[in-house]
Formats: sequence, structure tokens, C-alpha cells
Amino acid sequence: KAGVTQTPRYLIKTRGQQVTLSCSPISGHRSVSWYQQTPGQGLQFLFEYFSETQRNKGNFPGRFSGRQFSNSRSEMNVSTLELGDSALYLCASSLSGGSDNEQFFGPGTRLTVL
Amino acid sequence: AQRVTQPEKLLSVFKGAPVELKCNYSYSGSPELFWYVQYSRQRLQLLLRHISRESIKGFTADLNKGETSFHLKKPFAQEEDSAMYYCALADYGQNFVFGPGTRLSVLP
Repeated sequence: KAGVTQTPRYLIKTRGQQVTLSCSPISGHRSVSWYQQTPGQGLQFLFEYFSETQRNKGNFPGRFSGRQFSNSRSEMNVSTLELGDSALYLCASSLSGGSDNEQFFGPGTRLTVL
Repeated sequence: AQRVTQPEKLLSVFKGAPVELKCNYSYSGSPELFWYVQYSRQRLQLLLRHISRESIKGFTADLNKGETSFHLKKPFAQEEDSAMYYCALADYGQNFVFGPGTRLSVLP
């Protein structure tokens, strides 16, 4: 079974631009969660999507948004990029979300904002 | 707000020695606790969760609600245990909160 895939793996943007990251979950998984990982703040939960609906949201500004498609693939968008948005963005998929289901993580997209 | 702390950034032990990775949490309800591990050049993966009360790769963790702790233990560390370990909490809203992580280095 193929694992969680994320594209692109690396991205360089400049301040003020916007960026879209993509996550393809494991086949059959309907929940996709996004995390931001930085050396200073560690792993922080962004949001979770299930059946094309945002089900949970962390404490991030509205510049961070996402969506999920009918095939469970998910995209995350960050608008008006700031230097502090430089981070590794991880997505994780699970069968139906929640703490009962194991999350499987992707390799991450490393975003650098110049 | 819920919070997970891991007081040690780096923990070094010799092979065969016992290891304990500390995790404390603050949460007003009954949380669900997890340990995740990331080996070098591999993805973050679930190691164990408190509700299953299982031992994985020789590791165990007991939830102590009185001390609000969920320490990860292994009686005899192996070199292949060297990795980054994250303690995580899931609240009622199913939001996950991760600790800052502890890097375990098992020396030969």
C-alpha cells in the first residue's frame, strides 16, 4: 500500500506570495490533518479534513486554509507569506480521524520564505 | 489550554541501560496520550498509545493522571532506538498537541 505523499517536497517563495501544498492520503483514508513543524514551535496542528469538510482547526491565522476533494486528497494554502511561515509542513492521513485511528505521516514539504 | 512538555531535549544512554523519556501534560479533561517516533531519514510514526496499553519494541508508557505524566520507558536500550520521540495529546475535539520532542541517543 502506498504511503502518504506530499508535493512538492521543497518550495522557495518570497514574502507576500501565496503557496499551495498538496497531500495524497493512503487509499481508503478519509481524514487528512496538516501540521507545521518549526525548530522554535515544534509540531503544531493546523487543521483536519474529513469527507471534504474541515472538522478541526488549530490556532493559526486565516491566511492558512485548506480543502479536501472527493478523492480525499487535500491541499493547504498559505496566502501573503511571511518569513515566519518557513517550516516543514506535514500531512497525516487516517481512516476516519480521531484519536482511535493511527495517523500515517507524509514526508513533508519544506517551505522557505525569503 | 492543553499543553505537552518534554523536559529533555537530548537524552544519551549506553546500550543496555534503562531509558525513560519524560512527558507531562496539562489538560482539564481526560486526554488520550500517544508517543510518536521519528528515526533518522524516516517519517514520523506512531509508537504507542495509552489506551491500547501495549508494549512496542520493548517500550511501555503508563498514564499517571495524578502526576499528569506519560513517561516512555524501556528496560534495555538498543542502538536502533536512537531517534526523536514526541509525546502527543488528543483532546475531546480530537485536536492533537505535540510536545517539543526528545532526541534519544543510545551509545555503543
